[in-house]
Amino acid sequence: ELKVEQNPLFLSMQEGKNYTIYCNYSTTSDRLYWYRQDPGKSLESLFVLLSNGAVKQEGRLMASLDTKARLSTLHITAAVHDLSATYFCAVDIRGGADGLTFGKGTHLIIQP
Amino acid sequence: DAGVIQSPRHEVTEMGQEVTLRCKPISGHNSLFWYRQTMMRGLELLIYFNNNVPIDDSGMPEDRFSAKMPNASFSTLKIQPSEPRDSAVYFCASSFLGGGVGNQPQHFGDGTRLSIL
Repeated sequence: ELKVEQNPLFLSMQEGKNYTIYCNYSTTSDRLYWYRQDPGKSLESLFVLLSNGAVKQEGRLMASLDTKARLSTLHITAAVHDLSATYFCAVDIRGGADGLTFGKGTHLIIQP
Repeated sequence: DAGVIQSPRHEVTEMGQEVTLRCKPISGHNSLFWYRQTMMRGLELLIYFNNNVPIDDSGMPEDRFSAKMPNASFSTLKIQPSEPRDSAVYFCASSFLGGGVGNQPQHFGDGTRLSIL
């Protein structure tokens, strides 16, 4: 059974600080997804990471994938309040042919 | 472009009633997924379809749950009879698989917030 673990599950930080969210998964996969969810809202796709060593950046967020370590990271640089949300990583095994297995999410609060 | 459209957005009903949730995927997408989100269990995959054919329904919790996709633009998730423990947010998502496009993310609808009293 594929397991996806995120940590931390809850993070409170100040604006301007840097931090990293970690996502570990238990089964070989080279496809990992990061989503953002605002309270009461849908899930918004942030990044699709498709190969070992993949790195993608969008604004203050940067995601990377190490398939050998079965680890993905989501790094936040100089956090701003608007980034407050819950962030999920998700893994599929068969290249999109399966549904996603999600981590429990990291609830991020960025205080002014 | 219109995203994934789900209806209703909110549903409150009494235990024992039949509940039908509806989903219209993004035009051109050939894979459709139903997920359930609760505080206790997080996001769980219930069932998914590829080219309107159910591929894996192992996530469907009980026989009370059923899903259909009669055509490429419509799917339903039905609960009969409903129970209070079915209360959750149900999301539908769609994606395009194949055709050399490469991996695309699943696009989620706004969800149906279901409360069973």
